[in-house]
Amino acid sequence: EDQVTQSPEALRLQEGESSSLNCSYTVSGLRGLFWYRQDPGKGPEFLFTLYSAGEEKEKERLKATLTKKESFLHITAPKPEDSATYLCAVQAENYGGSQGNLIFGKGTKLSVKP
Amino acid sequence: DAGVTQSPTHLIKTRGQHVTLRCSPISGHKSVSWYQQVLGQGPQFIFQYYEKEERGRGNFPDRFSARQFPNYSSELNVNALLLGDSALYLCASSLVGGYASIADTQYFGPGTRLTVL
Repeated sequence: EDQVTQSPEALRLQEGESSSLNCSYTVSGLRGLFWYRQDPGKGPEFLFTLYSAGEEKEKERLKATLTKKESFLHITAPKPEDSATYLCAVQAENYGGSQGNLIFGKGTKLSVKP
Repeated sequence: DAGVTQSPTHLIKTRGQHVTLRCSPISGHKSVSWYQQVLGQGPQFIFQYYEKEERGRGNFPDRFSARQFPNYSSELNVNALLLGDSALYLCASSLVGGYASIADTQYFGPGTRLTVL
């Protein structure tokens, strides 16, 4: 069964304290891995798409990396405005079924204190 | 450019009632997917539509149904509401809904908060 596990569930950082969020996945065939940011009561906001092991993408203080079993979201020198829940999702090969649905992890709730 | 829009923003219903949620995709996107997100969990896939046809269905009961219109907007209908249907309902649009050589990105709307009393 395809599944996504994120850790830790919650992470508290001081402003400027760099850290990483983990996303482990088990899928029959990976078509893409996605990172989203979600603020309370709002829809997920797209951050990155990664397609193959070894790929890396950066945006401001965020950097996403991908291996064959997991992805990391590295946050460098975070600021309070980076506080949110970060969701990881995969799109898997699904022969005979939907090719497009995303399988999400439960998310990591990040709090950055000034 | 306008993003994905959803209506209504909030909705309060009682058990047994019916609800219709609406979604307009990003201009040029032909695929719409629906997800249910309960508090503290990641979104769960309900339906995917591409070119007005159902292309995928998640593990939800037949009380849930959806359709996509010629302008690619979509409706999600839920009959015989239960307390457990209370959740944030998310609509996502993408160019081709995964029917390409690589995965295409899904962009989410703000969601509809459904409360069932």
